[in-house]
Amino acid sequence: GAGVSQSPSNKVTEKGKDVELRCDPISGHTALYWYRQRLGQGLEFLIYFQGNSAPDKSGLPSDRFSAERTGESVSTLTIQRTQQEDSAVYLCASSLVGGNYEQYFGPGTRLTVT
Amino acid sequence: EDKVVQSPLSLVVHEGDTVTLNCSYEVTNFRSLLWYKQEKKAPTFLFMLTSSGIEKKSGRLSSILDKKELFSILNITATQTGDSAIYLCAANRDDKIIFGKGTRLHILP
Repeated sequence: GAGVSQSPSNKVTEKGKDVELRCDPISGHTALYWYRQRLGQGLEFLIYFQGNSAPDKSGLPSDRFSAERTGESVSTLTIQRTQQEDSAVYLCASSLVGGNYEQYFGPGTRLTVT
Repeated sequence: EDKVVQSPLSLVVHEGDTVTLNCSYEVTNFRSLLWYKQEKKAPTFLFMLTSSGIEKKSGRLSSILDKKELFSILNITATQTGDSAIYLCAANRDDKIIFGKGTRLHILP
């Protein structure tokens, strides 16, 4: 069946520009996570959506980062005024419900800020 | 099609036992293999393996990569209840990271 999809797969942008990354979770999954993976480092939690509850934004590194999710469908992660340190692979994962349930990861969006 | 397959999907053992988790991969332009421990929210990075035959160790955890057989194992010795988690394997290629479905490990006291 269809897994988690993300778009674009690659994005190169100039410093200072805004970018928008998209995640399509598995249908029926109520929980959606965004992570960042910098080169040589582990996964860094960014934000978590669970159903219609207020999202857990505790991992967002600055106010340049924001994310939205409409219901239990698509989510977009927006980075405003990108900086070179924003360069990373941005991963989205979904799970049936939140908590200690298997998360299914998308292939990621590789963002390069020049 | 690139894929990462983990086995077993779930495992229940008693505290003190040793476990071996398996990860096989078929990935073009392979760069490295990653192991994570997932509890609650964010997976915790455990190991990154790039070279065959070199064991990486961290306490009771160790891992090794076989790039010829396209295989990696994660060993946990003297397991404790705190080791209960989902263990994720992922293959890093140039442009993306491909995750396996994970092994759910439960340690009985």
